[in-house]
Amino acid sequence: AQSVAQPEDQVNVAEGNPLTVKCTYSVSGNPYLFWYVQYPNRGLQFLLKYITGDNLVKGSYGFEAEFNKSQTSFHLKKPSALVSDSALYFCAVRPSTDSWGKLQFGAGTQVVVTP
Amino acid sequence: EADIYQTPRYLVIGTGKKITLECSQTMGHDKMYWYQQDPGMELHLIHYSYGVNSTEKGDLSSESTVSRIRTEHFPLTLESARPSHTSQYLCASSGTGTVSYNEQFFGPGTRLTVL
Repeated sequence: AQSVAQPEDQVNVAEGNPLTVKCTYSVSGNPYLFWYVQYPNRGLQFLLKYITGDNLVKGSYGFEAEFNKSQTSFHLKKPSALVSDSALYFCAVRPSTDSWGKLQFGAGTQVVVTP
Repeated sequence: EADIYQTPRYLVIGTGKKITLECSQTMGHDKMYWYQQDPGMELHLIHYSYGVNSTEKGDLSSESTVSRIRTEHFPLTLESARPSHTSQYLCASSGTGTVSYNEQFFGPGTRLTVL
């Protein structure tokens, strides 16, 4: 069975500083990896995904993520955080062999960006 | 514009009432999902569907039921609401066919409160 760990419940960063949200995963075979963001009282918005190829994936709103197979990690990064990036971030994984599209989500990491 | 819709956005109801949460998508997706999420917490898959007349229970046991009579429509029903059903319910859809690397698109959610 697959699983996702987001080791930090909350990440605090000052505006303009780099932002990193950590994610590690466990899955049989090759993983498909996803990052989503959730603003208060809203659904989840897709940020980016890793399927295959280049380990550095670029997504929406200036976010990127690096796939590291040896460390089974898929950390989300942004070079310069904005106050508007304050939200709840979810990492998700699915085995490439699963054709039914079910995702396993992490517990989420609350990001707080202070002015 | 292709999108996924949920109604109502907010619902406050008394114990014992029957409720139906609506979810519709205009993207022609085969796969649809229902998640339950307490505020600021992780998502739990409660139902999913691979297509018309196909429904399966998710990882979290739920007293709700679903139906999939039309591709675009995936309503969730609670026959007798209880305070323990108070939560946010998120609907999502993804992809067509057996392609499994498509991301899921989420609706805005329904916040249910049972008194």
